[in-house]
Amino acid sequence: SAVISQKPSRDICQRGTSLTIQCQVDSQVTMMFWYRQQPGQSLTLIATANQGSEATYESGFVIDKFPISRPNLTFSTLTVSNMSPEDSSIYLCSVVEREAFYNEQFFGPGTRLTVL
Amino acid sequence: EDKVVQSPLSLVVHEGDTVTLNCSYEVTNFRSLLWYKQEKKAPTFLFMLTSSGIEKKSGRLSSILDKKELFSILNITATQTGDSAVYLCAVVYGSSNTGKLIFGQGTTLQVKP
Repeated sequence: SAVISQKPSRDICQRGTSLTIQCQVDSQVTMMFWYRQQPGQSLTLIATANQGSEATYESGFVIDKFPISRPNLTFSTLTVSNMSPEDSSIYLCSVVEREAFYNEQFFGPGTRLTVL
Repeated sequence: EDKVVQSPLSLVVHEGDTVTLNCSYEVTNFRSLLWYKQEKKAPTFLFMLTSSGIEKKSGRLSSILDKKELFSILNITATQTGDSAVYLCAVVYGSSNTGKLIFGQGTTLQVKP
């Protein structure tokens, strides 16, 4: 399976600031996603990162708060904007390697964000 | 509303015990069901299930899907302390190949020596 890396692995930020998280894959993948896992909760899909076009956001998530870029088939960024303590979460990128009816999906190591 | 429900939410066993984790789902246009193990941050892929009645096996772990009754189970035999983790069930769904996952709440497994 693809090797996925994320930077930073963790950060502590002040409210009102923004943080950009990077997701790098060692091979070209068809799909990339961003998930959030709030403390004690399961994973929730934020958006699908579309290569060369605007991301597709899930209900409850908006581009102004979580701008996403995907300039090519191996790289994506998620920005958490104007942060508040409620944004403290683990942020995870995931990838689907090949276009197929049945998709295995693999996750990056995650970014643990704490907002003070 | 699409949902995935796992049970139990938490479980404490002793080394050597066998455990069964449950995952039921109600989604539109089910495609596949995936199991993950989450120890720190990153969920580690365990199994993908697409067909009913076909057991997937990896060492002491096995899983099976019942598409008629809309559930899956994950079995772990001869548990070890290293099996302590959160086990997540997720379903791929949708009429088009979006790849989107909906996750259950997770089952926290603690294996005591």
